Amino acid sequence: DTAVSQTPKYLVTQMGNDKSIKCEQNLGHDTMYWYKQDSKKFLKIMFSYNNKELIINETVPNRFSPKSPDKAHLNLHINSLELGDSAVYFCASSPPMAGPRGDTQYFGPGTRLTVL
Amino acid sequence: AQKITQTQPGMFVQEKEAVTLDCTYDTSDPSYGLFWYKQPSSGEMIFLIYQGSYDQQNATEGRYSLNFQKARKSANLVISASQLGDSAMYFCAMREDTGGFKTIFGAGTRLFVKA
Repeated sequence: DTAVSQTPKYLVTQMGNDKSIKCEQNLGHDTMYWYKQDSKKFLKIMFSYNNKELIINETVPNRFSPKSPDKAHLNLHINSLELGDSAVYFCASSPPMAGPRGDTQYFGPGTRLTVL
Repeated sequence: AQKITQTQPGMFVQEKEAVTLDCTYDTSDPSYGLFWYKQPSSGEMIFLIYQGSYDQQNATEGRYSLNFQKARKSANLVISASQLGDSAMYFCAMREDTGGFKTIFGAGTRLFVKA
């Protein structure tokens, strides 16, 4: 009964390759996010989608492209992987702001990407 | 300018004692949300507690409470009766209602609970 799931959990690949990370949520939330956590544990937002529409697009290289086929899915495709892309990538989702917990984000388990 | 500041990179607490993790924030937006998350060594991000800027009372969730001091722009997390399983990284975060509803995270505080 995983609320926010990501696949794969680990991804090891060579520089220059293209890879995708998939995210699915079964919470019925409208908004989904991608975050990058670097080796110093700093967590930074990359993208956010609301009802399949891109609403946040931080300063992220064009090699990163999110795709939301429907409200429950937000995938991240990365082209021409570089060493600096090595990090943990988290997907998250949130409900609308109204409610006792506001628009609290619920995170997936993370995908550890290692680029060799 | 750093919007979320967690000044304690690491903290120790004795089991069963209470501990306060500091968080200050910077915003000119009157409407915002504050969050605390826990990240154990296994890596997942676990939501702990939420405080809305218009909430009159401090939020509480079990052993967690948020000491919200709006004028001082601080949102400290208080963990009562610490347990060994509380050893983890703790992140404070803020979502402003302007600027695209982006959530910004602090650098985190690593908490060590001693037996």
